[in-house]
Amino acid sequence: KAGVTQTPRYLIKTRGQQVTLSCSPISGHRSVSWYQQTPGQGLQFLFEYFSETQRNKGNFPGRFSGRQFSNSRSEMNVSTLELGDSALYLCASRGGLADTQYFGPGTRLTVL
Amino acid sequence: GNSVTQMEGPVTLSEEAFLTINCTYTATGYPSLFWYVQYPGEGLQLLLKATKADDKGSNKGFEATYRKETTSFHLEKGSVQVSDSAVYFCALQGGSYGGSQGNLIFGKGTKLSVKP
Repeated sequence: KAGVTQTPRYLIKTRGQQVTLSCSPISGHRSVSWYQQTPGQGLQFLFEYFSETQRNKGNFPGRFSGRQFSNSRSEMNVSTLELGDSALYLCASRGGLADTQYFGPGTRLTVL
Repeated sequence: GNSVTQMEGPVTLSEEAFLTINCTYTATGYPSLFWYVQYPGEGLQLLLKATKADDKGSNKGFEATYRKETTSFHLEKGSVQVSDSAVYFCALQGGSYGGSQGNLIFGKGTKLSVKP
């Protein structure tokens, strides 16, 4: 089975812009979660989607949003980018609610 | 709320040395526990997991035992190799009675460097 894929792998944006990141889960997996990784805050949970519905949300401002499509692919969007949004954004998929999460390679976002 | 505490790094060892990375957790209920590894420039790879008390997860020579009485999940390896150099993350998932809290809660990570 192909693993979790994320596109693009690298992005450079400027403050105030918006960005969309994409994640394709492992085939058959219906749950997709997003995490932000920074040197200062470590790994923090953003949100989880299951069957196109947001099931769980972390403590991030409303500028961070996401969605999931009927084929389980997910996108996350960050509007009005700030310097502090520079991070590695990781997507993880799992087959069932209690199953192990498998991570993609991440998208490295740099905000200038 | 649920939380994970793991030993601060970095940890520097010589090849073939014994490795222990301590991890303790706070959670209500019965969470699943994980160790993930991150190599430079990559995402997280699952190293091992345990889903209930006294379970031992093992993979590639690494082991960790789910100890509910001490709320710990320490990672051990008997003989490390240079290729084990990476950042190791302890994490928990779930643990709320009757809930399905699917998000992982991570420790801060421990950077391991193994010298030849």
